[in-house]
Amino acid sequence: EDQVTQSPEALRLQEGESSSLNCSYTVSGLRGLFWYRQDPGKGPEFLFTLYSAGEEKEKERLKATLTKKESFLHITAPKPEDSATYLCAVQAVGGSSNTGKLIFGQGTTLQVKP
Amino acid sequence: DVKVTQSSRYLVKRTGEKVFLECVQDMDHENMFWYRQDPGLGLRLIYFSYDVKMKEKGDIPEGYSVSREKKERFSLILESASTNQTSMYLCASSLGSQGSNQPQHFGDGTRLSIL
Repeated sequence: EDQVTQSPEALRLQEGESSSLNCSYTVSGLRGLFWYRQDPGKGPEFLFTLYSAGEEKEKERLKATLTKKESFLHITAPKPEDSATYLCAVQAVGGSSNTGKLIFGQGTTLQVKP
Repeated sequence: DVKVTQSSRYLVKRTGEKVFLECVQDMDHENMFWYRQDPGLGLRLIYFSYDVKMKEKGDIPEGYSVSREKKERFSLILESASTNQTSMYLCASSLGSQGSNQPQHFGDGTRLSIL
């Protein structure tokens, strides 16, 4: 069964303290892995798409990387405004590839204190 | 920028009412999706559509229906609202043909309470 697991569930950082969020996936084949940011009371905001192992994407203080089994979202020198829930989603080869269906992880809630 | 607009941010309805949630996207996307998001359960797909007048069931379609009469608009209908349908409802759209692996872009959600 296709599955996406994110860790940790919650992460508290001091401003400037770099860290990484993990997204592990078990799928028959990967068509795409997506990272989103979600603020309280709002919809997920698209950040990155990764399609193949070894691929990396960067945006400001965020960098996403992908291996055959997991993805990391690295946050360098975070600021309080980076506080949010970060969601990982996977589109798998097979049944879901005919639908565009995404399998979402439960998310990591990040709090960055000044 | 992609804009997905959901008609209401907050909605309160009564048990047994027929409820309509509307979603409009302005990027000419082929694919549109309806999810609900609940604490501890994450995002779950209710219905999706990859073309006008086409619809497909997601993981939890029971108690819901959808309508897509125009490409930019996708409506979610709760036929007879029940308290277990109290949730945050999220609409999304994506570019490309059926099964596209382009990113989905989300609206800000409708927080629906059924009393």
